[in-house]
This record gives sequence, structure tokens and C-alpha cells, in this order.
Amino acid sequence: GENVGLHLPTLSVQEGDNSIINCAYSNSASDYFIWYKQESGKGPQFIIDIRSNMDKRQGQRVTVLLNKTVKHLSLQIAATQPGDSAVYFCAVRGNDMRFGAGTRLTVKP
Amino acid sequence: GAVVSQHPSWVICKSGTSVKIECRSLDFQATTMFWYRQFPKQSLMLMATSNEGSKATYEQGVEKDKFLINHASLTLSTLTVTSAHPEDSSFYICSASQSTDTQYFGPGTRLTVL
Repeated sequence: GENVGLHLPTLSVQEGDNSIINCAYSNSASDYFIWYKQESGKGPQFIIDIRSNMDKRQGQRVTVLLNKTVKHLSLQIAATQPGDSAVYFCAVRGNDMRFGAGTRLTVKP
Repeated sequence: GAVVSQHPSWVICKSGTSVKIECRSLDFQATTMFWYRQFPKQSLMLMATSNEGSKATYEQGVEKDKFLINHASLTLSTLTVTSAHPEDSSFYICSASQSTDTQYFGPGTRLTVL
């Protein structure tokens, strides 16, 4: 079955630095990927998505990279700000939509 | 766009009572709505998937008679926790989806059962 996980449960970065959050998946038939941001006590917010026919997609200060060869997904946040502090998790659609456990990003001023 | 609301945002109830949580898609029609439960510092646990006008599909281990889901319209789904017990205390989150598969989440409802 689908196995979605994150390489690091926590990530601490300095304000202004770039952040990279990773996600691994196991189902090679997965075709749709989403990154969500969840602040404490709130519901997840959609950040960016990518389909399997692409390997990179950019948004405002965020970039998602998809490496289908190694079944790896990453979220890059440029010039990380204190407001970026949250839990980030990926969602992967294979047979169904599965969510990763999440990485807690802490931004140090 | 793609705003999903939940009501109430938090609720405290006595053991044995029932609690209804509403999930609304405010600016789009949601063909599918999902209900999740989230424990502290853990990821989302899918409870059930519901399509408008049809019975919800429950995940394995989720009691359908305890967690009643009604998806009466394309903009409203409700989750009723019946005969709530302290172990039902949790953060309940709904999401709504159109045909693009992207799920837009509500802000969540914190349920505390005394």
C-alpha cells in the first residue's frame, strides 16, 4: 500500500534563509501531489500542488520539486519568515489520497 | 476562493450527549467532502468520505453508527458524534473537493467531552 513519510520531523531555520522540506512516497503510480501548511489549532491550508507530468512548479516564495525516479517530493520556501512557522505535510494521490505525518518548521528571528 | 468553514470551532459537551459539526464550502460546490480526525502532533486520520446525496464511505475501524455523516447538499456536510465519550475528544477537520481532487480544509472543530 501507499507509504508516505517525511525525512525530518522538525526543521529549524534562521529568518531569511531558505527552507527545504521533504516527502517520500512508495507508490510509483502516484500522480498528484499537494503540500499543505497547518498552523497550530487550525485546519491545513493548501500551498501548492504538482502533477506527475511535471517535475517543478513555482508559487510565491515556494517551489515544489518532484523526482519520480526516487519517489521524492520537496517543498522549498525562499526567504523564510516567522509567519512560515507551522507544520507542513504532503499529500500523495495513489489509489487514494494519503497524508504524510508532517514536518514542524520553526523560524528563528 | 475555495473557502471551507466549520461550525462550531470548539465545543465542550457532557459524556453521553451528541454533538453535530457542520462543514460548508462557501464559494464552490463540493462534490466530495471528507472528515478527518487529528490527534496532537499527528497527521490527519481520514474517517469517512461523502458524496452529495449518497451514503458516506467509512474507513476501516470508524464506527458509522457513532459518527453519523450527512451530505445533504453540494455545500454542506455534517458530522454527528453520537453518545460522545471522553475518548472522542479530538480535533475534527473537514475538507471539500471539486473535481480537481484538491482538498480545501476547514478550520477544524475542537471537541472536548467531559
